[in-house]
This record gives sequence, structure tokens and C-alpha cells, in this order.
Amino acid sequence: DIQMTQSPSSLSASVGDRVTITCRASQGISNYLAWFQQKPGKAPKSLIYAASSLQSGVPSKFSGSGSGTDFTLTISSLQPEDFATYYCQQYNSYPLTFGGGTEVEIK
Amino acid sequence: EVQLVESGGGLVQPGGSLRLSCAASGFTFGSYWMSWVRQAPGKGLEWVANINQDGSEKYYVDSVKGRFTISRDNAKNSLFLQMNSLRAEDTAVYYCARDMLWSRTFDYWGQGTLVTVSS
Repeated sequence: DIQMTQSPSSLSASVGDRVTITCRASQGISNYLAWFQQKPGKAPKSLIYAASSLQSGVPSKFSGSGSGTDFTLTISSLQPEDFATYYCQQYNSYPLTFGGGTEVEIK
Repeated sequence: EVQLVESGGGLVQPGGSLRLSCAASGFTFGSYWMSWVRQAPGKGLEWVANINQDGSEKYYVDSVKGRFTISRDNAKNSLFLQMNSLRAEDTAVYYCARDMLWSRTFDYWGQGTLVTVSS
């Protein structure tokens, strides 16, 4: 199984900050990597697929990059509605697996 | 508008069974792979199973193989998860999700249904 490791597991940031979250795969997954946002008590929301493609309707302050084993999600200017937990997911092979999540908190 | 609405969750004893349903609307259901993803209380996301458009291909995470069965009824725009031999570690919110076309990631999610396995 491909293990997905996210770092950090949590971070504190201020409104307006640029935030970067890292996701590392235990083996190469090309660009078969997605990012999701989840707020407390809510379903996940899809943000990015194919490592860097924005889902329809997702604001351009979100961006993704990477290929192979190392990937990043960047939020260019953090807004109050962005405080949430973010998950990466690999879909290169079964079983489909998620990272452990990164909780973005208000500083 | 794409909508996915899960139902069928509840409290069940260890060893018991439960059948989850997901009612889909707002898209051509029979054209998409569909998945179940779960989240234990306070934990991260775990993919459980998926099924192709006509139900001829199914994949499962190892921890549920032989106990859970995914199925679909395209005529009724519905996805199902039959869960047998339930264990305490199956306690979670179960989400129905639509797989993106040509991809095994997810673009739309339901609101989830809670399954609690406890005596």
C-alpha cells in the first residue's frame, strides 16, 4: 500500500499569511494526487486533482504542485473561511489512500 | 446540481449488519464510478470501496474485504454498501462520493451517515 505522509500535522497562521502544506508518498505516484478541505462536522470538499488542477469553482488562491513523491498545497493569502483540515489523497494504485491531515488553525 | 444523500446509518451491535444507501441526482449516475469513504470519530479519511459504471468491477480496502459489499442500481440512481460482521473499528461517518471521470479521485461528496458499532 502507498503511505501518504502530510506535514505539518497542524499549523497556526494569521489571516493574510501564505501557507504551504506538504504531502509525501511512500513511492512514486506520478501526478495522481488530490487535495481536499474539510471543516468540522462537514463533508470534505475537493480542491485540486492531478496534483495541480483546480476543481471547478475553487478560488485561485489555492494551488498545488509536485510530481513523483513530493507534493505541496499552497494557500496564497489565508482567509477566515480557509481555517480547516486539509487532506491529500493518492489515486495511482489501490487501495486509494489519504494523508493523515493538516489542521490549519487561527493564530 | 449534483447531490448525494446517504441514509441507513445507525447503532448496531458487534457482529451485526447494516445496509447504507446513497441517492444520487443532478448527473447521469450510470456514467460514473462511485465510492464509499469513511471517517472514524476524530480521525482521518479512509477509502472503503468503489464500483464501476455497470457494477462489474469492485475494489475494497483490505480491512473490509469479505465483510462489505458495494453495489449499485443505475435505474434508481442509487449506490449501496452492505456491511456484515461489523466491528467496533467500523464505527465512522460513511460518505458516498462520485469519482471523477477517468480518475479515481472524488469531485462530489454526500453529507455522510454515522454508523456506530457498539453493544
